[in-house]
Amino acid sequence: TQLLEQSPQFLSIQEGENLTVYCNSSSVFSSLQWYRQEPGEGPVLLVTVVTGGEVKKLKRLTFQFGDARKDSSLHITAAQPGDTGLYLCAGANQNNDMRFGAGTRLTVKP
Amino acid sequence: DAGITQSPRYKITETGRQVTLMCHQTWSHSYMFWYRQDLGHGLRLIYYSAAADITDKGEVPDGYVVSRSKTENFPLTLESATRSQTSVYFCASRKNSAHNEQFFGPGTRLTVL
Repeated sequence: TQLLEQSPQFLSIQEGENLTVYCNSSSVFSSLQWYRQEPGEGPVLLVTVVTGGEVKKLKRLTFQFGDARKDSSLHITAAQPGDTGLYLCAGANQNNDMRFGAGTRLTVKP
Repeated sequence: DAGITQSPRYKITETGRQVTLMCHQTWSHSYMFWYRQDLGHGLRLIYYSAAADITDKGEVPDGYVVSRSKTENFPLTLESATRSQTSVYFCASRKNSAHNEQFFGPGTRLTVL
């Protein structure tokens, strides 16, 4: 059983479309991170959110941490082929333990 | 070179053989981690280390052994490889707090025949 559920598992869209991917849990996290992983490489951190309700923007990417700190979303505006990759969320609890979700595999077609 | 490196990048071995995957980081990060990545499971933590000579089990430690005699190195050993251990293995490091970024190595693709 995955502690962190990510949805959708796969997403294929056309360039220019908007999308949102989700990361949900029944557990409360002290922080939540989003990583992007490209084929043949390790994941790379995109953002860390710490406060419930926090919203962070990174160019066309908007990250939100749920008020109860149990869930998060990633919204991409006007997706580009360079956004293609595996998006992973990772939650840390008060004991400094971090767990990853299974990821959303995004494909943006030109 | 600075950063976190893994070796080998690819390895094919046979069931029952011992295999050691190497991980080296140059930042003197206190924490180091080993994950395996399989389709449908994402990244699963095998073992981690908070400092030299301190190691702890993660979610899926069975069949694996780690050591951390030096801060910069964190080798992972499969004492008797099984087919179910075919996977991509990632090493990572970070500073103390879980809020800090984990820096991942490029991965080792291991195939057990």
